[in-house]
Amino acid sequence: QVQLVESGGGVVQPGRSLRISCAASGFPFSSDVMHWVRQPPGKGLEWVARISHDSTSIQYADSVRGRLIISRDNSKSMLYLQMNSLRAEDTAVYHCAKDLGGAWALDHWGQGILVTVSS
Amino acid sequence: DIVMTQTPLSSGVTLGQPASISCRSSQSLVNRDGNTYLSWLQQRPGQPPRLLIYQISNRFSGVPDRFSGSGAGTDFTLKISRVEAEDVGVYFCMQAAQFPWTFGQGTKVDIK
Repeated sequence: QVQLVESGGGVVQPGRSLRISCAASGFPFSSDVMHWVRQPPGKGLEWVARISHDSTSIQYADSVRGRLIISRDNSKSMLYLQMNSLRAEDTAVYHCAKDLGGAWALDHWGQGILVTVSS
Repeated sequence: DIVMTQTPLSSGVTLGQPASISCRSSQSLVNRDGNTYLSWLQQRPGQPPRLLIYQISNRFSGVPDRFSGSGAGTDFTLKISRVEAEDVGVYFCMQAAQFPWTFGQGTKVDIK
């Protein structure tokens, strides 16, 4: 079955960097579009970024463009989010999510990893 | 950006009774390809979101048939025909007609 497991979260100071990862299994990762979606504690969902199966097409939310970078390694079935110049408002649980190919929906989600930006 | 507005934000429902959630978008969700990319997700307490409905009315694999979606253009509805205890949680609509994808604020459903 599809499994998405995030790792690498923690507490980081404002202005610093952090990379979180998502290990995928149970489906042909190299064929699927992937996303990051975040959820501040106790709040709603915010779409962060999308990457095509071959990394040739990438989109970002305006709030993160230029600071957060989505990437993937198909040989390892891994999705990444490099987070630079972090701000307090980036504090959230970050979920990786799989795209329901062609239907433009998010059909499987990881449990999420908490990133806290605080001095 | 497309703004998604859900109503109500909270709903207390009696077990076995129906529930309905409305989602309105600030512009049409009909994509250039003619499809409408509106989906519904459920988030149970302590769990990640789960896809229920995609493209307005298509139930995702394993989703009970008491969940149904309808609508067109800018107005959409999620209906639960008979609420069960396991349906407690927060429900989100999401548009994927254009980037950035955006979500409604969420509707909390609990049992009266």
